[in-house]
Amino acid sequence: QKEVEQNSGPLSVPEGAIASLNCTYSDRGSQSFFWYRQYSGKSPELIMFIYSNGDKEDGRFTAQLNKASQYVSLLIRDSQPSDSATYLCAMYSGNTGKLIFGQGTTLQVKP
Amino acid sequence: DVKVTQSSRYLVKRTGEKVFLECVQDMDHENMFWYRQDPGLGLRLIYFSYDVKMKEKGDIPEGYSVSREKKERFSLILESASTNQTSMYLCASSLFTGGKETQYFGPGTRLLVL
Repeated sequence: QKEVEQNSGPLSVPEGAIASLNCTYSDRGSQSFFWYRQYSGKSPELIMFIYSNGDKEDGRFTAQLNKASQYVSLLIRDSQPSDSATYLCAMYSGNTGKLIFGQGTTLQVKP
Repeated sequence: DVKVTQSSRYLVKRTGEKVFLECVQDMDHENMFWYRQDPGLGLRLIYFSYDVKMKEKGDIPEGYSVSREKKERFSLILESASTNQTSMYLCASSLFTGGKETQYFGPGTRLLVL
C-alpha cells in the first residue's frame, strides 16, 4: 500500500462547478497535510496546508481533514479553466522528516 | 516572499559528463531537498539536508551526490550522467517547525542527457 494515494484522473468538471479531489494516507501518526498545484511543465506551488481535523477555507479552496478515516480532500468552488492542473497531496512524516507525495490528480475544467 | 532559485531551467548534457545543479534559497531555511519528477512516477526524493554540511539519502540516491557548504545553497551532482537521469529536477526548502514544515519549490531544471 502506498503511503499517500490519489486517483490519477483526469477529473473533468464544467466551469463553475465544485471540483472534489481526494487523498488517503496510511500513517495514522501524520499531523500535517499539504495540497500543491502543478501546472504542466512548472514546479509545484503550495495551495493549502491543514493540521487539524475539520475544514479549512481559503478563498475558493477548502481543505478537509478526517484523521479517523485517514483522508484529506480539497474542494475547489466555482472552478475555472485556470484551475486545470495536477494537484498533489502530501503528508509530513514525523518518523523520517520527509514529505510524502501522492501521484497527483489531474483536473480538467471545461469552459 | 519565499524565493527558491535554480541555476538553469533547461540543460543538455552528454553521457558521462559531470553535471552540477545549483539551488539557492533566501528564506534562511534549515532544510533543503532535491527531487526528480518523471511521468507516472511522481516526485521522488533524491537527497535532503537539515543543516550545513549535513546530508541524508532520500529514496533514490544512486548516481547522485550533494553538497551543502552554505545554508542557502544546496547542490546536486551527477558524477557521470546517464540517459536514465533525463528528468525534471526540483529543489525545495523548508523552515524547521517541529512537524509542520512547508516545502517551497524552485522552478525546476529540465535535464536532457544524450
